[in-house]
Amino acid sequence: DAGVIQSPRHEVTEMGQEVTLRCKPISGHDYLFWYRQTMMRGLELLIYFNNNVPIDDSGMPEDRFSAKMPNASFSTLKIQPSEPRDSAVYFCASSLAAGTASSYEQYFGPGTRLTVT
Amino acid sequence: AQSVAQPEDQVNVAEGNPLTVKCTYSVSGNPYLFWYVQYPNRGLQFLLKYITGDNLVKGSYGFEAEFNKSQTSFHLKKPSALVSDSALYFCAVRPGSYIPTFGRGTSLIVHP
Repeated sequence: DAGVIQSPRHEVTEMGQEVTLRCKPISGHDYLFWYRQTMMRGLELLIYFNNNVPIDDSGMPEDRFSAKMPNASFSTLKIQPSEPRDSAVYFCASSLAAGTASSYEQYFGPGTRLTVT
Repeated sequence: AQSVAQPEDQVNVAEGNPLTVKCTYSVSGNPYLFWYVQYPNRGLQFLLKYITGDNLVKGSYGFEAEFNKSQTSFHLKKPSALVSDSALYFCAVRPGSYIPTFGRGTSLIVHP
């Protein structure tokens, strides 16, 4: 398997623009997580899905952030409008629930480095 | 609510010496514990986990960790450090709910 795939790897945009980050989880994984990483706040969980259904979005910082998972192989994180304080590295991760030797641990994508000017 | 503490922001060790990266946790019930490593400009990479069974678990790249229930600790260890082990290390705990909690991370620097 190619692992978790994220695109784009880098995104530079101006304040006020819409940003869409994309994620393809590992095939067969039933959980998908979106994280944000900054020096100041470390790794923050934004939202997670189980079987394509959003379970907990309490980490989403504001209404400007939204996430969708239309099917088992694709998820998006959208920021509209973007602000300079949204600059961070955004990670997508997927995992399996119980049942296999590789259950529970998360597999992370390479991240999207977002810069909002 | 669960929590994870990595008391050291940075650990420095000479190549060839043993290394320890500390992690303590607080959780209700039996913990599932994890270590991840992050190299520069990369995502977190799974190293090892404790779910049940033997308290000493072995993982990738020669790392191991020991689960200590009485001290609520899960320290990461390696007998002989390599310069290439220099990276950011995260401890995580997952209790009964599925949301894992990560520590703040410890930067490991191995000097030649």
